[in-house]
Amino acid sequence: SAVISQKPSRDICQRGTSLTIQCQVDSQVTMMFWYRQQPGQSLTLIATANQGSEATYESGFVIDKFPISRPNLTFSTLTVSNMSPEDSSIYLCSVDRGLHTDTQYFGPGTRLTVL
Amino acid sequence: SQQGEEDPQALSIQEGENATMNCSYKTSINNLQWYRQNSGRGLVHLILIRSNEREKHSGRLRVTLDTSKKSSSLLITASRAADTASYFCATDDGPVIQGAQKLVFGQGTRLTINP
Repeated sequence: SAVISQKPSRDICQRGTSLTIQCQVDSQVTMMFWYRQQPGQSLTLIATANQGSEATYESGFVIDKFPISRPNLTFSTLTVSNMSPEDSSIYLCSVDRGLHTDTQYFGPGTRLTVL
Repeated sequence: SQQGEEDPQALSIQEGENATMNCSYKTSINNLQWYRQNSGRGLVHLILIRSNEREKHSGRLRVTLDTSKKSSSLLITASRAADTASYFCATDDGPVIQGAQKLVFGQGTRLTINP
């Protein structure tokens, strides 16, 4: 398994501001994933983040709105930029240990409320 | 990309009863996984079943897979109050990239176990 922490665990932000969410893993992993979970909904993949290269974004998500950094093999950040109330969600990071088990291990999530 | 559909969306049963949740998907898969999420927190991996398997057990969990019907079911036997959570199925989405596999999650079933 993998132990993953996220900071902050929750935040309340004002419209138009930005929030950076941190994800720390206890072991080196190649690929990290960022998801959004809107209230009462399922998880939607925002992007995959590979160390040393730009993140790959899913349809409907753009780098200007959700810039991602991946400076090393145990850490990543997701920024939610120019926030609006529609960005109120839980943001989760996850990792695949790359052991070809296809299992992902999730952080505890960051609950974001935008006023 | 495909997305699993789960039913029921919500299920409420008495402690000790069995709970069955279903998941359907649209295209061919290599495997299907089930995850649990407690109170909007991170997801926890429960069980993975491969496309060449029909049934798998883990403790009080039983998963079936019918690839001809593109469906899976998760059975929790002898339910406990601690089983109260949301349950999501997830299928592989696209090729493995650098050892990591993207997943697509179903809409989830909210399970409530009444004491």
